[in-house]
Amino acid sequence: EVQLSESGGDLVQPGGSLRLSCAVSGFTFDNYAMSWVRQAPGKGLEWVSGISNSGANTYYAGSVKGRFTISIDTSKNTLFLQMNNLRAEDTALYFCARAFYSGDRTQFGYWGQGTLVTVSS
Amino acid sequence: QSALTQPASVSGSLGQSITISCTGTSSDIGTYQYVSWYQQHPGKAPKLMIYNVSDRPSGVSNRFSGSKSGNTASLTISGLQAEDEADYYCSSYTSSSSLDVVFGGGTRLTVL
Repeated sequence: EVQLSESGGDLVQPGGSLRLSCAVSGFTFDNYAMSWVRQAPGKGLEWVSGISNSGANTYYAGSVKGRFTISIDTSKNTLFLQMNNLRAEDTALYFCARAFYSGDRTQFGYWGQGTLVTVSS
Repeated sequence: QSALTQPASVSGSLGQSITISCTGTSSDIGTYQYVSWYQQHPGKAPKLMIYNVSDRPSGVSNRFSGSKSGNTASLTISGLQAEDEADYYCSSYTSSSSLDVVFGGGTRLTVL
């Protein structure tokens, strides 16, 4: 059974940093791309960042490029999102999501329950 | 890159059919088959309902169907049931330089 579980969300001041984790089971990163998708309170979904299977390629939304870094640790079956220079507009519930099928990276068949990031002074 | 355009809300009676539209551009829906639809109930994670424009994952009811014409994709739900009441989001791969995936703003479905 495919499972994804996020952690690491917290209250952080503007300009601060945070690292989100997504522990996965039931599949390997060798075969499936992963992404982070966020949802601000009461708002819609926004794709943030993606990483290809095995981590060879990374992709970022313009709003986070240069501030966020996505990575995977295959030995720990964990996906990460390092978030630096956080802004109020980064406040959201962050979901990790797995591509539905191998070979695609843009359609998400499995989601975690999300971890809440609040950026406020 | 702007979000894909969806109506903010739609409604339908039990047993009826509704269609939610999702309008993009030639940089996303108009060119690529990577169009998907998600259902999200309050406080829950999104659930994939349609992928590759019109394919259904195993376990998703055949009351849900997807299609595309030009730059607009559509999700149709037939035989509306109370549990269909939720938010629905469309999504597409985009060749925009500032994004890889673009979502619609979401549509709240109310079942009367």
